[in-house]
Amino acid sequence: GAVVSQHPSRVICKSGTSVKIECRSLDFQATTMFWYRQFPKKSLMLMATSNEGSKATYEQGVEKDKFLINHASLTLSTLTVTSAHPEDSSFYICSARGLAGVDEQFFGPGTRLTVL
Amino acid sequence: DAKTTQPPSMDCAEGRAANLPCNHSTISGNEYVYWYRQIHSQGPQYIIHGLKNNETNEMASLIITEDRKSSTLILPHATLRDTAVYYCIVIRAGGGADGLTFGKGTHLIIQP
Repeated sequence: GAVVSQHPSRVICKSGTSVKIECRSLDFQATTMFWYRQFPKKSLMLMATSNEGSKATYEQGVEKDKFLINHASLTLSTLTVTSAHPEDSSFYICSARGLAGVDEQFFGPGTRLTVL
Repeated sequence: DAKTTQPPSMDCAEGRAANLPCNHSTISGNEYVYWYRQIHSQGPQYIIHGLKNNETNEMASLIITEDRKSSTLILPHATLRDTAVYYCIVIRAGGGADGLTFGKGTHLIIQP
């Protein structure tokens, strides 16, 4: 149980385009989903927290107008990187927390974004 | 949340027990110790967590010192697939709605 999927697993796009990444909880309802970013040889950095039906909370330094997050249902959250630039190239990972009283997060496999 | 300190890297022979230490000297009474690992180019995987008692599951054992200032993750029979970066993270009880703060972790390399 507690499986989280991400789509796509890898995307290459041209500078200036927008890219949407989906995160789905497959066998549980995710009350809270998180988005992380990881640059090469670095640790994961939390970008934002989203709760179903409400606006996402962004970490300091993360541009909310550039990284649009939608958590429209209890099983789906999307991250849209708008007007992507080469410096946005990174490994984007989502996680989900579902069961009340359970604190562990379950992570998706990640999406490798390369902006040319 | 309390900060954790881990060695940057460790080697272990395949088939032997891998013991990964973590210091969390400023841990509070309501904070749990969680362990995750990240295999190269994959998302992190939950391993185990504990408050003050030792814990064991199908993946690993977690030994927490009596003063709770440090802990050890034990992989009893390491395999090559256990090569990964292991993160020790302290999370407050009820903090499931909080994003995780990942340190640098320990890069465990299992040698054949």
